[in-house]
Amino acid sequence: DIEMTQSPATLSVSPGESATLSCRASQSVGTMLAWYQQKLGQAPRLLIYGAATRVTGMPVRFSGSGSEIDFTLTISSLQSEDFAVYYCQQYKDWPTFGQGTKVE
Amino acid sequence: VQLVESGGGLVQPGGSLRLSCAASGFTFSDFWMGWVRQAPGKGLEWVANIKKDESEKYHLDSVKGRFVISRDNAKNSLFLQMDSLRVEDTAVYYCVRDEGFAVAIYWGQGTVVSVSS
Repeated sequence: DIEMTQSPATLSVSPGESATLSCRASQSVGTMLAWYQQKLGQAPRLLIYGAATRVTGMPVRFSGSGSEIDFTLTISSLQSEDFAVYYCQQYKDWPTFGQGTKVE
Repeated sequence: VQLVESGGGLVQPGGSLRLSCAASGFTFSDFWMGWVRQAPGKGLEWVANIKKDESEKYHLDSVKGRFVISRDNAKNSLFLQMDSLRVEDTAVYYCVRDEGFAVAIYWGQGTVVSVSS
């Protein structure tokens, strides 16, 4: 299976600041990479797929980039509702998720 | 789009459970469907997915031979038959609409499966 590694495990930021989350694949996944947001007690929510395509209705402050092995999710001007855990997921092979980055 | 899971509960190791997911708000037979689980305090794990017409099914290696995904398009329902349950299968199980390449836009609220003696 393709292993996904996210960093950092926890990111401490203040509202209005930007956050940069990283995700690395153990082998190339092209751009078959998605990002999800999960708030406590809720199901995950898809933010981005194809490494950089925002889901319809997702705020433009969420942006994804990268290809092959290294990927980034950037949240510009963090809002209070953005504090959550973020997971990356590859779907090049059997789908696997990273262990998550908590934005606090 | 609404996905509503049921069938979770407490079961002893070696036991069985059958999870169900009732889908509404879209043409069920037009979409792949899947199950994703999350162990307590842990990350996400894709368990299984199934093609629109049930002609293709895929399962996570660790559940092969124990879990079987199925669907009933006439009843807009998705199922996960779980046999020989292990302690490590304890998790919240989410029903998801698979957009055709193991990406899930729509998720249910989850059903809790606890395997313990």
